[in-house]
Amino acid sequence: AQSVTQLDSHVSVSEGTPVLLRCNYSSSYSPSLFWYVQHPNKGLQLLLKYTSAATLVKGINGFEAEFKKSETSFHLTKPSAHMSDAAEYFCVVSDWGTGKLIFGQGTTLQVKP
Amino acid sequence: DTGVSQDPRHKITKRGQNVTFRCDPISEHNRLYWYRQTLGQGPEFLTYFQNEAQLEKSRLLSDRFSAERPKGSFSTLEIQRTEQGDSAMYLCASSLATARAETQYFGPGTRLLVL
Repeated sequence: AQSVTQLDSHVSVSEGTPVLLRCNYSSSYSPSLFWYVQHPNKGLQLLLKYTSAATLVKGINGFEAEFKKSETSFHLTKPSAHMSDAAEYFCVVSDWGTGKLIFGQGTTLQVKP
Repeated sequence: DTGVSQDPRHKITKRGQNVTFRCDPISEHNRLYWYRQTLGQGPEFLTYFQNEAQLEKSRLLSDRFSAERPKGSFSTLEIQRTEQGDSAMYLCASSLATARAETQYFGPGTRLLVL
């Protein structure tokens, strides 16, 4: 069975400082991994996805994630946080056959001025 | 392409009543997924369709829940005899099935409150 674990339920950073949201995955085969963001009262938006083409994946709004097989990790980073980045972030793995998504518990990112 | 739409956006009902939600996917997408999200949790898979065929249902989907996708277009999710535990956000997503890692596009969700 596949799963993802988000290591922090809440992360707080100051505006302009780096962001690191941590995610570990478990999969019996090469996984497809995603990060989605959910702003209050808005739908889930795809930030980026990993499909084995490149281990460093660039997404929207300056976010990146690096796939590390040896560490079974897929951490999300951004060099400089903006107030508008405050939201709930989900690390997700997809089931290869059905495509259904398996979500982590989510990390709430707070950005302080 | 206006994205995935869901209707209604909010629904308040009394315990024991039936409710039905609708999802309109992106027009060329052949897969449609339903998820449920409770407060403070990540979304959980309920069921999915490829075209009009319902191919998998989660164990979360009790016999009070039924979903359809007639003609492979829009989908409906019905909950019969609602219970307070059904209160949640119901999310719909659609995708174009490819060999690997299709991207699912989510609708805004229907928030259900059962009193």
